Amino acid sequence: GAVVSQHPSWVICKSGTSVKIECRSLDFQATTMFWYRQFPKQSLMLMATSNEGSKATYEQGVEKDKFLINHASLTLSTLTVTSAHPEDSSFYICSASRVIGGGQFGPGTRLTVL
Amino acid sequence: AQKVTQAQTEISVVEKEDVTLDCVYETRDTTYYLFWYKQPPSGELVFLIRRNSFDEQNEISGRYSWNFQKSTSSFNFTITASQVVDSAVYFCALKRAQGGSEKLVFGKGTKLTVNP
Repeated sequence: GAVVSQHPSWVICKSGTSVKIECRSLDFQATTMFWYRQFPKQSLMLMATSNEGSKATYEQGVEKDKFLINHASLTLSTLTVTSAHPEDSSFYICSASRVIGGGQFGPGTRLTVL
Repeated sequence: AQKVTQAQTEISVVEKEDVTLDCVYETRDTTYYLFWYKQPPSGELVFLIRRNSFDEQNEISGRYSWNFQKSTSSFNFTITASQVVDSAVYFCALKRAQGGSEKLVFGKGTKLTVNP
């Protein structure tokens, strides 16, 4: 079955540093990838949609200069949290979509900013 | 606009009890998909079911069953004879059918605790 991986699964960083999270579709090509954020005890909220080879589309209220998304290939999307602050601490989950068929969620990345 | 409401924030039951998790949705689309996901403490989303808007047949999978009522815009989830391992947060979600996009709108989730 279709598998999506995320790396790292958890990361702790100091305030002001940048963190890169990778989302990979392991056995299929993903034309579209989605990045969600989930704060503790809250629901998942879509941050942005990325299509391979084009700029990401950000949801309202999400800073595109802070959350850089790159979808350079059909199997890899990266989310970079730039100049991270404690309020960016969250659970980040990606979803990868195939041309035909349903999307798959990655296992998530837990970010803690000290 | 699309919206998913899970009115039950937390539910606590004793093992072997049946429990129903409610989900009400809003959409102007005539075709759409509804989902249920389970999120255990590990955080990984576990896909449970996907239902097309044009298929109102109820579905049963082991101890799980789903009741889709288009007339009331509800897609409720029942766990029969609950077990401790069912303890998790359960999310209902809605997706537009057009374009093949996987953008999902999630409800706020219902935390289910099954006590031994």
